[in-house]
Amino acid sequence: GQNIDQPTEMTATEGAIVQINCTYQTSGFNGLFWYQQHAGEAPTFLSYNVLDGLEEKGRFSSFLSRSKGYSYLLLKELQMKDSASYLCAVRAVNQAGTALIFGKGTTLSVSS
Amino acid sequence: DTAVSQTPKYLVTQMGNDKSIKCEQNLGHDTMYWYKQDSKKFLKIMFSYNNKELIINETVPNRFSPKSPDKAHLNLHINSLELGDSAVYFCASSQDWGRYSYNEQFFGPGTRLTVL
Repeated sequence: GQNIDQPTEMTATEGAIVQINCTYQTSGFNGLFWYQQHAGEAPTFLSYNVLDGLEEKGRFSSFLSRSKGYSYLLLKELQMKDSASYLCAVRAVNQAGTALIFGKGTTLSVSS
Repeated sequence: DTAVSQTPKYLVTQMGNDKSIKCEQNLGHDTMYWYKQDSKKFLKIMFSYNNKELIINETVPNRFSPKSPDKAHLNLHINSLELGDSAVYFCASSQDWGRYSYNEQFFGPGTRLTVL
């Protein structure tokens, strides 16, 4: 079956660094996505990893280890606007097609 | 300018009614999706269409029926609405479908459905 775990909530202060972990168990793994979702809004794409290693994009970086079924999203120089839910999603390919399987999201609260 | 649009944004209705949610994308994508996000914010795939053809149909009740008149539109019709159908429904689209494509999905603004 498919299973994705990430912490439910995290808190941090402005200017700090936070790491949001995601572990997954899935068949037909074909990449891992991170999405950001502000309250009442649609998820927006942050990053994609399909090979092991670190992908950096400005203040955000994402890491993947396929052998460990593990990823993290690293947010640097936190700003208040980073308060949102962060969704880890695994792309799974099977006979039926391709789908994104989402974790339950990590709600990050950034305080001043 | 809107990439993926949905109507209506809010939908309040009584149990037992039938309702539809419309979705349109102007990105020229081949694949469209419907997701349900429950009160605990868990986002779950419901359907996936590629070039008007149903690709993925997760375990959802038969009361939910997607319709794709063309590859830019994927509508969701729900019959005999139940209290448990209350959720936010997101439409999404992506370019290319297939084992080796990896383009991200773009989400619509969501439709908040409340069943009374």
